[in-house]
Amino acid sequence: NAGVTQTPKFQVLKTGQSMTLQCAQDMNHNSMYWYRQDPGMGLRLIYYSASEGTTDKGEVPNGYNVSRLNKREFSLRLESAAPSQTSVYFCASSDSRDRVFTDTQYFGPGTRLTVL
Amino acid sequence: GEDVEQSLFLSVREGDSSVINCTYTDSSSTYLYWYKQEPGAGLQLLTYIFSNMDMKQDQRLTVLLNKKDKHLSLRIADTQTGDSAIYFCAESVSFQKLVFGTGTRLLVSP
Repeated sequence: NAGVTQTPKFQVLKTGQSMTLQCAQDMNHNSMYWYRQDPGMGLRLIYYSASEGTTDKGEVPNGYNVSRLNKREFSLRLESAAPSQTSVYFCASSDSRDRVFTDTQYFGPGTRLTVL
Repeated sequence: GEDVEQSLFLSVREGDSSVINCTYTDSSSTYLYWYKQEPGAGLQLLTYIFSNMDMKQDQRLTVLLNKKDKHLSLRIADTQTGDSAIYFCAESVSFQKLVFGTGTRLLVSP
C-alpha cells in the first residue's frame, strides 16, 4: 500500500496562474483533508470531505476549491494564485466510520508551492 | 476558541530524555495526538491518548495527560539523533476536526 500520495512534490507559479494539487489514498478511507503548513502556524485545515460526494470548508478556505472525484481522490485547486498561498500543502485521510474509532489521520508527503 | 500551544524548540543530548509539552483549550476533546514530521516529509502518527486516560506508554514514548490543567506531554526516553524532527500535538475538537499546535523542533546532538 502506498498510503496517501500527492503530486506534484514541488511547484512554482506566477501570481494569477491556476493549478490543481492531486491527492489519492489506497486505504479505502471515507474522509479526506487538505491542510496548509506555514512557519510558526502549525497546520490549518483548508477543506475536508467527510465522504464521497461531500465537501466542507475548514479554517482557511478562501482562494481554494476542492473536488472529491471518487472515494480515492481529492484535489485542491487554486484558481488565481497569490503570494500569500506560498506554503506546504498536505493531504490526509481517515477511516471515520464512527466515533468509536480514533479517526486517526494519515498524511501524504506534501506539495511545496511557491507563488512569485 | 480552540488553541493548542507548544514551545518552539528543544535541544537535548543523545541518550537524555526529552519532554515536549503542549497545552490545549477544548475540554471536550476525545483524543489527543502526537505527530512527528521529519525534514521534507509529511506528518507521521506517533501515538494518541484517549481523554479518559492519564498515561500511555509505548516503548520509548510516554504520554501524560492532565485534564484538569489541559496539559499534554510526550516523553522520549534515551533520545537518539534519529528523533530529531518537529513534533506536533493535536486535539480532536469534533468528529473529523483536528486542531494542531505550532510544533516543537527537537534537536538531538551527539
